[in-house]
Parts: sequence; C-alpha cells; structure tokens
Amino acid sequence: DTAVSQTPKYLVTQMGNDKSIKCEQNLGHDTMYWYKQDSKKFLKIMFSYNNKELIINETVPNRFSPKSPDKAHLNLHINSLELGDSAVYFCASSQRQGIGELFFGEGSRLTVL
Amino acid sequence: KQEVTQIPAALSVPEGENLVLNCSFTDSAIYNLQWFRQDPGKGLTSLLLIQSSQREQTSGRLNASLDKSSGRSTLYIAASQPGDSATYLCAASSGNQFYFGTGTSLTVIP
Repeated sequence: DTAVSQTPKYLVTQMGNDKSIKCEQNLGHDTMYWYKQDSKKFLKIMFSYNNKELIINETVPNRFSPKSPDKAHLNLHINSLELGDSAVYFCASSQRQGIGELFFGEGSRLTVL
Repeated sequence: KQEVTQIPAALSVPEGENLVLNCSFTDSAIYNLQWFRQDPGKGLTSLLLIQSSQREQTSGRLNASLDKSSGRSTLYIAASQPGDSATYLCAASSGNQFYFGTGTSLTVIP
C-alpha cells in the first residue's frame, strides 16, 4: 500500500496550458510538501501545508497554486505553463512540520513543449 | 539559513570496496538528519534517519553517523555492490523545513 502517491506520473503539454498534480498520503501525517527537482537534481521546496494551513510559500510564481482539501491531500495547480516549468515535482509528507521522517511520492515529470 | 553540502558530487568505486559519503550542514540546531537514495527516474527512498540526540544508525551494510557540533554526517557503505549505484542525498531538518544537499552520484563498477 503506497504511503505517498501522486498522479499523474508523466505530463506532456503545450506552453500556456493549465495542469494539475494530485497527491495523497495514507500515513496520517500532519504536514505535506511540494518540491521541484531541476535538471541538476537539486530539490527545492515550493510549499508546505500543516493540517490544511499554508506554512511555507517559497519564491514561486503565482501561476502555481497549491490546495489542501484535507490533511491527507495536497494538490498543485499550474496555470499558463512555461518552458521553464519543465521539471520533476515531488510530493512528500512528515508527521510534523519540518520534523521527523520525510516520505516521498514517486514524482510527476512535467514536460512543457 | 541552513545550507547543506555533499562532497564529492560523484564517486566511482570497484565492487566490494567500502566507501564513505559526506554531508555537511552550517547550522547545528537540527532536529534530525536523513539519508535518501534516488535511482534514475524514481522518487527518493529513505535509508536512515538519525535523531539529533543520536550519534549513529545502522541498517544492513549502511551506517550513518552524526556529529552536530562539527556539522557533519557520513554514510558508510560496506562491501559495495553494483546495485548500490544511485544518487544519495542527505537532508537536515531545522527551523520548519528540510534542507537538502545536492547529492552524491555513486557508481559501483562490477
């Protein structure tokens, strides 16, 4: 039973389109995160939610909008996609904000053409 | 702000060798230090988690140590195997988030 699952695994889309990535965790954790991994494999935090409350909102274009309907789900919606948005987006969760073991999803590879 | 560095960026060893991967962090006020493995095109798999009060953790051929005062953690891999080839990342938990190193790409040559 997958602990952190995200869908879809692959997205290929045209510039200017809107896309969403969904994430769910069944670990009962309070905190969920979105990370972006670029071509150099560096992981950059984008957002974190703790019990549905936005805690971390790094310098991310406002075309990116996270939404947490409940503490087990954290979705990422991206408007007006640009070439530079191409990356792998990872969802993760931990028991508490910034503390404990961090669990990752398999990643969603976004390619913008 | 916490900064995490991993050296070397890439490492190639023959099968059977013991090896050490390094992770340095600038702020010693961490809650824990976690090591991950990432295979190409895959997500991050947790290998070992060391709490700030601990000095080391072991799992099979892996041993991770933590020295908060010097801002260092090491991941020791014994008797390396080709299946150990992957990118290894460390993450320091401090403040309200996890700070990642840039990773070490390990290749074990058969």
